[in-house]
Amino acid sequence: EAEVAQSPRYKITEKSQAVAFWCDPISGHATLYWYRQILGQGPELLVQFQDESVVDDSQLPKDRFSAERLKGVDSTLKIQPAELGDSAMYLCASSLGQKETQYFGPGTRLLVL
Amino acid sequence: SQQGEEDPQALSIQEGENATMNCSYKTSINNLQWYRQNSGRGLVHLILIRSNEREKHSGRLRVTLDTSKKSSSLLITASRAADTASYFCATDVGRDDKIIFGKGTRLHILP
Repeated sequence: EAEVAQSPRYKITEKSQAVAFWCDPISGHATLYWYRQILGQGPELLVQFQDESVVDDSQLPKDRFSAERLKGVDSTLKIQPAELGDSAMYLCASSLGQKETQYFGPGTRLLVL
Repeated sequence: SQQGEEDPQALSIQEGENATMNCSYKTSINNLQWYRQNSGRGLVHLILIRSNEREKHSGRLRVTLDTSKKSSSLLITASRAADTASYFCATDVGRDDKIIFGKGTRLHILP
């Protein structure tokens, strides 16, 4: 069964450092999502791609966060510089289209020291 | 901002009993989905119910939707240890089908 892949699974970094997360969606899925989930909370959408285009990045802190999906397949989410408050689980999800069921990856757990 | 809110925040029941979780939301929706998340893992889609549906079943899961009360419930019958997880409702709102997750209900099945 096809799955969404994410790496790394865990990342520990010091504040002010740069971090990057990678996501490979299910083959053929046009829509890709990045979520941030703080412990004890539900996921919060950071950015949504339709193919290579951003369709929603209203909750993305653009002063330090960036995301790209250059060829409309895999995607990278970057934080520079990382802050203590960025410690969270970063989840990637994909779907066939914007109204379709989302399939989630295992997530990357980030700890900023 | 989170529009869905699950109730209770945490629930512990004996194995074999039924578990009921509720979700209330604020604005009109296109559909509502329930997801499960095992500790430290990604979310797994359980069931989707559209705004014109009132009840839906999938195996041991039963979901109801009351749009007049802006609420939904998820019933898990004959609970098992493997059902221990967090359960989230997610509402699909607006023309752009934005998905908004609630804070979740943490379900613990006691042996």
